[in-house]
Amino acid sequence: ETGVTQTPRHLVMGMTNKKSLKCEQHLGHNAMYWYKQSAKKPLELMFVYSLEERVENNSVPSRFSPECPNSSHLFLHLHTLQPEDSALYLCASSQEPVATNEKLFFGSGTQLSVL
Amino acid sequence: AQRVTQPEKLLSVFKGAPVELKCNYSYSGSPELFWYVQYSRQRLQLLLRHISRESIKGFTADLNKGETSFHLKKPFAQEEDSAMYYCAPEGNTGNQFYFGTGTSLTVIP
Repeated sequence: ETGVTQTPRHLVMGMTNKKSLKCEQHLGHNAMYWYKQSAKKPLELMFVYSLEERVENNSVPSRFSPECPNSSHLFLHLHTLQPEDSALYLCASSQEPVATNEKLFFGSGTQLSVL
Repeated sequence: AQRVTQPEKLLSVFKGAPVELKCNYSYSGSPELFWYVQYSRQRLQLLLRHISRESIKGFTADLNKGETSFHLKKPFAQEEDSAMYYCAPEGNTGNQFYFGTGTSLTVIP
């Protein structure tokens, strides 16, 4: 609905699995973001990409590995996650990463459960 | 799906005037709702959450279950309040999640 599409919508994985979250935006934006929202907590910014280069990494554990092959696609590769990583993972995009009143467009999220 | 609606994309008020940014939600149960703010050249940040019932930077928001609303209010707007404001539900409930589309607030000096 916002031009930002996330797949899958739901994901259940074991701690030894490797999975990837995908985000795609059709808005011609140059910046993309990964956010995490744990239960009863506000959003936490994880990564920011601008023109396919990572410009921000907020002390995220290495078991989360982002990839931005082009300005329209963003992946979050998951490996050996912990149960406390269960959360909603939101992708967002904006025209530029930092600009006056830059509007964020959010995807509908991937609900991740780690067993 | 948990959906919130922010009907106003743009809102302009004069400095010192009251301001109200509207947010309506469309799901049942006991939602937990947040207001986020993004100031110019800054990252998105949490402004307040309804469960804490606090006032941040003069802003308050009350959950009205009868009207299914969570409007953000401030009695006297300041120039530094100019920003993008997003209403959002707590998302980690297994339901599909919809962030509000945001309201751009401009406080006119």
